[in-house]
Amino acid sequence: DSGVTQTPKHLITATGQRVTLRCSPRSGDLSVYWYQQSLDQGLQFLIQYYNGEERAKGNILERFSAQQFPDLHSELNLSSLELGDSALYFCASSPRQGPYEQYFGPGTRLTVT
Amino acid sequence: GNSVTQMEGPVTLSEEAFLTINCTYTATGYPSLFWYVQYPGEGLQLLLKATKADDKGSNKGFEATYRKETTSFHLEKGSVQVSDSAVYFCALTPSGGSYIPTFGRGTSLIVHP
Repeated sequence: DSGVTQTPKHLITATGQRVTLRCSPRSGDLSVYWYQQSLDQGLQFLIQYYNGEERAKGNILERFSAQQFPDLHSELNLSSLELGDSALYFCASSPRQGPYEQYFGPGTRLTVT
Repeated sequence: GNSVTQMEGPVTLSEEAFLTINCTYTATGYPSLFWYVQYPGEGLQLLLKATKADDKGSNKGFEATYRKETTSFHLEKGSVQVSDSAVYFCALTPSGGSYIPTFGRGTSLIVHP
């Protein structure tokens, strides 16, 4: 158990809908990262927050947004969903900014029908 | 930009065979290097790491040495077990800037009894 929790574990929704994925980092970790994992694209970095502030953006679509709250949990919002958004979404945390290892949650499997 | 290249899988071995999974990287400066493992239905978890040239990371019988001259971080294990069947990811985190990691595509390992 990494100490990172993600909810829900599975999510099935229709095209055009909006969903929110939730992540709670390990106790004491200030940095949260979101990733998308699909068979054809591998593990893609989406966005990073550090102590409530956005720090880096990767291959995140404009339809996707995220935030980190004062209690350090984070939410990833996906809107106007398309079939191609079906993937595993992982959250990871690390203690602080720097070249440190990351601790991954179990992921949320999103299926868009 | 940074990149990580892993050998394509799947790698199929018999129990007690020797394992090598190749990983090479492209990055400026002196990144930190990691191997993560993902078991079916789970998130990634850190297997081992090395933070400077010639460092050897080791854990659970797995080893990898940070080779700056060949920009490589190959994963090895002397005798694999069925329980080692998983997907292995090589990753680097730069030594500065945003510290966003770059992951390889992953290599699936299947170990037969």
